[in-house]
Amino acid sequence: AQSVAQPEDQVNVAEGNPLTVKCTYSVSGNPYLFWYVQYPNRGLQFLLKYITGDNLVKGSYGFEAEFNKSQTSFHLKKPSALVSDSALYFCAVRVYSGAGSYQLTFGKGTKLSVIP
Amino acid sequence: NAGVTQTPKFRVLKTGQSMTLLCAQDMNHEYMYWYRQDPGMGLRLIHYSVGEGTTAKGEVPDGYNVSRLKKQNFLLGLESAAPSQTSVYFCASSDHRDTEAFFGQGTRLTVV
Repeated sequence: AQSVAQPEDQVNVAEGNPLTVKCTYSVSGNPYLFWYVQYPNRGLQFLLKYITGDNLVKGSYGFEAEFNKSQTSFHLKKPSALVSDSALYFCAVRVYSGAGSYQLTFGKGTKLSVIP
Repeated sequence: NAGVTQTPKFRVLKTGQSMTLLCAQDMNHEYMYWYRQDPGMGLRLIHYSVGEGTTAKGEVPDGYNVSRLKKQNFLLGLESAAPSQTSVYFCASSDHRDTEAFFGQGTRLTVV
């Protein structure tokens, strides 16, 4: 089955330190990958996406993600974490669902806590 | 700039009752989706639509029905609510299969 996996339920990082939230994917063909963030009691907000091109993708709020085809990974990164980055992060992949249709399949989410 | 609006934001139902959740988007998007979010499960796709008048089943469609009579609206119906349908429901839309989805604020549904 085509899917994404987020191996860590929770990531803790000190404010000012670099952060990484991991995502691996399993799809046939070229993957279309996305990262979303969810703050408490809110909907999901788009951060960035990889469709094709440079393996390093830059997104909103200083986040970036590195696409690695050999490791089938798409890890989310930020050089210096802020307390306000504390949220739930979701990786997603576009999956072909037949008859010319596509859908987004999400990972289970990783809770990021940035400690002051 | 409303984006994606879900109605209602909260609801408590008794087992066996029915209800309809409304999703409205003002971005002229073709694609619309309904997800449910449960602790430890991430988001799971219930149903989706690739255009006005079309609907398709997602990962967890049982117990739900949908309709897309107008391009801007996507309705999710529960005919006979069950406690297992207690969840937070999110609607989303996108203008193309390759572009990002925009999400509503969610509907917290409790079935007792």
